[in-house]
Amino acid sequence: QLQLQESGPGLVKPSETLSLTCTVTGGSIDSFYWNWIRQPPGKGLEWIGYMYYSGSTKYNPSLKSRVTISVDSSKKQFSLRLTSVTAADTAVYFCAREWGGMDVWGQGTTVTVSS
Amino acid sequence: SYELTQPPSVSVSPGQTARITCSGDGLPNQYFYWYQQKPGQAPVLVIKKDIQRPSGIPERFSGSSSGTTVTLTISGVQTEDEADYYCQSTDTTTTYQVFGGGTKLTVL
Repeated sequence: QLQLQESGPGLVKPSETLSLTCTVTGGSIDSFYWNWIRQPPGKGLEWIGYMYYSGSTKYNPSLKSRVTISVDSSKKQFSLRLTSVTAADTAVYFCAREWGGMDVWGQGTTVTVSS
Repeated sequence: SYELTQPPSVSVSPGQTARITCSGDGLPNQYFYWYQQKPGQAPVLVIKKDIQRPSGIPERFSGSSSGTTVTLTISGVQTEDEADYYCQSTDTTTTYQVFGGGTKLTVL
């Protein structure tokens, strides 16, 4: 059974870069769309972007200038980089597999932007 | 930009039927998806491609579609169904994914 696990720093300083990794276990990363979604405290879900296993990417236009999603197939990991963070980037960050819906999600990791 | 509109809240009593709508301002013929999220947990896909129920999802969850509006129906609501529900679809012109604002289902 495929599982996803997010990892990365829980605290990032303003203006710095947020970096998270999602590790895929129990299945292949060589297919599907691999998404990042976030949820600010008390708010709804916001799609950040996805990478298709072949390397093509799509990003939320509101974040596009600051976001990079990449994949390391050998490690079965895909990653999120968000530059120049502010307090507005404080959220729970989820990774999710998508193939006819986002059918597998990680448990989420909380990232706080604060000095 | 493409937007999906959901009612902020829906309240029902146990055993009743809950209906949550999601309206898109774009073209039809895009699939919609529904997610259930309980506090402190990751979302769970409960309806895919407008009307399909993933394996393991109870039969009381169903989806329907009409034009640019889709509806999640929960028949015979149980207390465990109390959660936030989100619709999701794709902007046809950009292929960006979009979530609705979410609906809090309260089971009184």
